[in-house]
Amino acid sequence: DVKVTQSSRYLVKRTGEKVFLECVQDMDHENMFWYRQDPGLGLRLIYFSYDVKMKEKGDIPEGYSVSREKKERFSLILESASTNQTSMYLCASKAFFGQGTRLTVV
Amino acid sequence: GDSVTQMEGPVTLSEEAFLTINCTYTATGYPSLFWYVQYPGEGLQLLLKATKADDKGSNKGFEATYRKETTSFHLEKGSVQVSDSAVYFCALSDRNRDDKIIFGKGTRLHILP
Repeated sequence: DVKVTQSSRYLVKRTGEKVFLECVQDMDHENMFWYRQDPGLGLRLIYFSYDVKMKEKGDIPEGYSVSREKKERFSLILESASTNQTSMYLCASKAFFGQGTRLTVV
Repeated sequence: GDSVTQMEGPVTLSEEAFLTINCTYTATGYPSLFWYVQYPGEGLQLLLKATKADDKGSNKGFEATYRKETTSFHLEKGSVQVSDSAVYFCALSDRNRDDKIIFGKGTRLHILP
């Protein structure tokens, strides 16, 4: 079975902190994605990567960056966390999703 | 651009009832189609998929058939259980568009005992 693992299920961070969300997949997939999910807004694509060191902006990249140094790992970075980034964050490797990270910024 | 439209919820059914959740899509290419299920507080689980016209995806009693002529991928189950209560998302992806997944808005399903 494909396994996509996100490093944390729940996180609480303070406004202004730099936040790292990690995602690891074990299927040697090239394409990986970060989404956020908010009530009433559905799932929105933040960034995606189709190869090591390659990244592309999704629909809502503002306030985020990503890192893909190794094929199996795709990190989402909140440079300076803000309360409007409180959300559920979902990582995907092709069509397979991790369990999600619920981030609360206080 | 590509899009997915699914029936709005919530859908409330009694246990053992027949389930249909409608999904239609718009795509310029030849997408793969998916149904995902999300339980409260959890991530998305891939329920089933179909990659070409007339394919039928099935899993855990759920089925959906890729209908190119009607651009539809309706989810069905013959006899639902209380444990099927969740949010269901229809989605598509196109390998010519970097496999980005485009989601419908989701349908919340409540099954009453």
